[in-house]
Amino acid sequence: EAGVVQSPRYKIIEKKQPVAFWCNPISGHNTLYWYRQNLGQGPELLIRYENEEAVDDSQLPKDRFSAERLKGVDSTLKIQPAELGDSAVYLCASSQRVGMNTEAFFGQGTRLTVV
Amino acid sequence: AQSVTQLDSQVPVFEEAPVELRCNYSSSVSVYLFWYVQYPNQGLQLLLKYLSGSTLVKGINGFEAEFNKSQTSFHLRKPSVHISDTAEYFCAVIDTGGFKTIFGAGTRLFVKA
Repeated sequence: EAGVVQSPRYKIIEKKQPVAFWCNPISGHNTLYWYRQNLGQGPELLIRYENEEAVDDSQLPKDRFSAERLKGVDSTLKIQPAELGDSAVYLCASSQRVGMNTEAFFGQGTRLTVV
Repeated sequence: AQSVTQLDSQVPVFEEAPVELRCNYSSSVSVYLFWYVQYPNQGLQLLLKYLSGSTLVKGINGFEAEFNKSQTSFHLRKPSVHISDTAEYFCAVIDTGGFKTIFGAGTRLFVKA
């Protein structure tokens, strides 16, 4: 079974430019998460989807970040315009909502460098 | 709100020595507890989890952890480490009423020959 797939793996952009990340979760997983991991820190949740609905986006900087999960499968996270402080690894994860077992499976991440 | 504290940012250890990575959490509700490992340039991989039942949990790669409710701890242990265990280890909690995972800042385990 394929795991969570993210692309691209690496991205270097100049500040003020837009950037987008793509995630394809594990088949059948209803819940999808986007996390940001700054260097030397643990992942921090940006947004959580249950199917196509964003149920927790309280940590998403909505002035420049947006996300969508059309049809409740794959998802795109966008930053426009990017700032130097956005340099981080962006992780996508998915989980199958079975009872209260909410183990999340993570993709390899997209490492963003803003210069 | 929950929080997770990993008490050591870095743990250097010699190969074949035992290791303990410490994790404390705070929460006003019951929680589920997890340890994840992250190898360089990789995503996070689940090592083990505590949901209920026995407080001693065994995971992959010879790791185990013990849930201590009174001390709100979930320390990770391995009796004999290998060079290949060099990685970043993250402790995480989820409250039993929600689906938000809170991660600690991570502990970098460095195994020396």
